[in-house]
Amino acid sequence: RKEVEQDPGPFNVPEGATVAFNCTYSNSASQSFFWYRQDCRKEPKLLMSVYSSGNEDGRFTAQLNRASQYISLLIRDSKLSDSATYLCVVTPWDGTASKLTFGTGTRLQVTL
Amino acid sequence: DTGVSQDPRHKITKRGQNVTFRCDPISEHNHLYWYRQTLGQGPEFLTYFQNEAQLEKSRLLSDRFSAERPKGSFSTLEIQRTEQGDSAMYLCASSLPSSTDTQYFGPGTRLTVL
Repeated sequence: RKEVEQDPGPFNVPEGATVAFNCTYSNSASQSFFWYRQDCRKEPKLLMSVYSSGNEDGRFTAQLNRASQYISLLIRDSKLSDSATYLCVVTPWDGTASKLTFGTGTRLQVTL
Repeated sequence: DTGVSQDPRHKITKRGQNVTFRCDPISEHNHLYWYRQTLGQGPEFLTYFQNEAQLEKSRLLSDRFSAERPKGSFSTLEIQRTEQGDSAMYLCASSLPSSTDTQYFGPGTRLTVL
């Protein structure tokens, strides 16, 4: 079983739609959680951190459920520019440095 | 541009050849990471440096792979006797010691082994 599991998609949605991605992780010792965005043939870029209390950044909302080991990302009012692969990332914490563990990514295609 | 830089951006080589990639982290980032990403997968951790010390290596890093960071600044990743399965994007990232889970990625080196 992979440490971080995501539905690879693709999710094809019309502009203006709301879309949600989910991710599950297997290591209960995971400490930090993130969503990264990766455009085609580009490097991953941090989209947002994920906290148990939930956090929102404009049209993006991330949520963490530690009991279920589940992370979500909600995108409201989708834009064409949101088309990308969204990577769910978890890290253990050993007090020194963090090795990012990525899911396979969920591909989003926003259409007119 | 003060981001992470990698060189070359693309490398095509024949099976059996050796290749070397370079990564220049963001200045003052003393933590440096190498990841590998194959098509349809997320990046996978390969190795990590704190200053010049290589502190962790993944099982993915076979003995054909070696990474160095001799002066604690730039790093090199060498692959000896390349195989077709080594074809991937090799990504470098760096971070500050105070926030090692916030890593900034370079544009990657795309390796194709023929």
